[in-house]
Amino acid sequence: DQQVKQNSPSLSVQEGRISILNCDYTNSMFDYFLWYKKYPAEGPTFLISISSIKDKNEDGRFTVFLNKSAKHLSLHIVPSQPGDSAVYFCAAQEVVTGTASKLTFGTGTRLQVTL
Amino acid sequence: DTEVTQTPKHLVMGMTNKKSLKCEQHMGHRAMYWYKQKAKKPPELMFVYSYEKLSINESVPSRFSPECPNSSLLNLHLHALQPEDSALYLCASSLSKISLRLAGGVDYNEQFFGPGTRLTVL
Repeated sequence: DQQVKQNSPSLSVQEGRISILNCDYTNSMFDYFLWYKKYPAEGPTFLISISSIKDKNEDGRFTVFLNKSAKHLSLHIVPSQPGDSAVYFCAAQEVVTGTASKLTFGTGTRLQVTL
Repeated sequence: DTEVTQTPKHLVMGMTNKKSLKCEQHMGHRAMYWYKQKAKKPPELMFVYSYEKLSINESVPSRFSPECPNSSLLNLHLHALQPEDSALYLCASSLSKISLRLAGGVDYNEQFFGPGTRLTVL
């Protein structure tokens, strides 16, 4: 049962254009959402996050939008650069105990930014 | 220092070997995590430690044994592994929920990941 889904396994965007990566979730207990960027054989690198009480968070070229009623979030990268080419994972957090929470990762989207 | 370090970078072991993976962070984080990532799959949570106590075990087989000797270190002891256990093992750390409540916010609870240990079981 995949609670966090990224339905596009790959995306190709021209340099300078907008990249939009999408993520859907099913568990209404998720209270915090994150986007990570990952290169092969490396650990994920945190990009941007959003709390469930907000609908938008912006950091430089990266903006995350959250639509709670649709259980959908998206990451916008503007303008896209060749260095953005990587696999992007959406992750959702839920509180499990009083002191611990867990992340569930989506299946990932491979972004290719072309010249 | 915003770095999580993991050793070794690569590990090859036989099914009868005992080995350990190590993870270290000096960010003052009191929550630490082990994940397993197979090729072309997302990271999957294995264990969560909060304040050096095991908080979550995602039904991981007993051939994986985690240990948190202090707030900066996290180990994963491996014994009698199977070839299907070959994967990238990732360690992560974050502020604990208690720290976040004391700080009055939830907007910076990101987990910082190490580079991983590439494990091959022969």
